[in-house]
Amino acid sequence: QVQLVESGGGLVKPGESLRLSCVASGFNLNDYYMGWIRQAPGKGLEWVSYISDTSHNIKYADSVKGRFTISRDYAKNSLYLQMNNLRAEDTALFYCARALGNGWFDSWGQGALVTVS
Amino acid sequence: DIVMTQSPDSLAVSLGERATINCRSSQNILYSSNNKNYLAWYQQKPGQPPKLLLYWASTRESGVPDRFSGSGSGTEFTLSISTLQAEDVAVYYCQQYYSTEWTFGQGTKVEIK
Repeated sequence: QVQLVESGGGLVKPGESLRLSCVASGFNLNDYYMGWIRQAPGKGLEWVSYISDTSHNIKYADSVKGRFTISRDYAKNSLYLQMNNLRAEDTALFYCARALGNGWFDSWGQGALVTVS
Repeated sequence: DIVMTQSPDSLAVSLGERATINCRSSQNILYSSNNKNYLAWYQQKPGQPPKLLLYWASTRESGVPDRFSGSGSGTEFTLSISTLQAEDVAVYYCQQYYSTEWTFGQGTKVEIK
């Protein structure tokens, strides 16, 4: 059974950093493109970043470019999102998701809440 | 970036009736070499992560009821729920994966009339 579990969320002040983790079970995370998608309270979905299976192809939304870094640990079957210089507008539930084909997300975690205040 | 615009923002439909959600992309998302539209649809119920419904604009994900269908091409797309059930109350999102930066529509809330 495919499962994704995010961790690392919390309350931080503007300008501080946070690192989100996502652990996969039921499949080899390293064989897939993986992504982060966030959802501000009461708002819609916003794609944040994705990383290819080889880590050679990485993209970011303009809103986080230069502040966030996506990475993966092949040995730990894990995905990460390093978030620096956090702003109030980064407050959101951050989802880790598996991408299939050319970019649709078929499996999602329950999310990690990041509050910047 | 490709901007995805959904309409309406919300709609109320009677049980058993058809619900129709539109999604427009600011650029063409039909790839001519394979004739595929790079569009997915998701359903999100309160307190839950999104669930994939359709990809390639009209291919149903495994386990998704056949009352959900997708149509359209190029820049105009539609998600239809043929006979609305109580469990279909949710917010629905479209997403393009044509460009290297993926984007979602703003969402459409479906309620029971």
